[in-house]
Amino acid sequence: AQTVTQSQPEMSVQEAETVTLSCTYDTSENNYYLFWYKQPPSRQMILVIRQEAYKQQNATENRFSVNFQKAAKSFSLKISDSQLGDTAMYFCAFMKGGSQGNLIFGKGTKLSVKP
Amino acid sequence: GAVVSQHPSWVICKSGTSVKIECRSLDFQATTMFWYRQFPKQSLMLMATSNEGSKATYEQGVEKDKFLINHASLTLSTLTVTSAHPEDSSFYICSASAGPSSYEQYFGPGTRLTVT
Repeated sequence: AQTVTQSQPEMSVQEAETVTLSCTYDTSENNYYLFWYKQPPSRQMILVIRQEAYKQQNATENRFSVNFQKAAKSFSLKISDSQLGDTAMYFCAFMKGGSQGNLIFGKGTKLSVKP
Repeated sequence: GAVVSQHPSWVICKSGTSVKIECRSLDFQATTMFWYRQFPKQSLMLMATSNEGSKATYEQGVEKDKFLINHASLTLSTLTVTSAHPEDSSFYICSASAGPSSYEQYFGPGTRLTVT
């Protein structure tokens, strides 16, 4: 069975600074996808970034980037130039390739961006 | 991007009654829909996966007879909580994908259920 671990229940960062959220996972699969989702106070889940396991290049979406270490089964999210609107719960998630799309979520990290 | 709606956004019901939550994909055909449950300050837990026209696949520990899922069309899935009890109070979130080969899931805004 796959598991996703987020070891930081809460983090805070000053506006405009950079913060890194950690995520590790455990799987015996070779084909899978990893995601970071953001859940702001509105509770709407928003996809932040996606990484295909077969790709060596780290995914980047504007201020968001990941450090994907496949051998170490690590998938951290870096947020650059943090903005107040980045304040939210962040969930790391795993999806097995070829599956129906079942997402396995970590417990989440509550990020607070301070002015 | 693709839009998924849920209705109602919040509902209060009395213990022992049933309540239905709708999940609709507004601008795409959702072959597969997922239902999650989220307790306060916790993560999302997958309850079941439904494919259009077939029976839902429930996760271990989820009561099939209590949480009835119907996916009658490519744009609509419903979750009915039968004989609701206060412990069923939670935030229920649906998501939809365009097919088994699609790794993109689109989430609804969620439904807050309170059972009194």
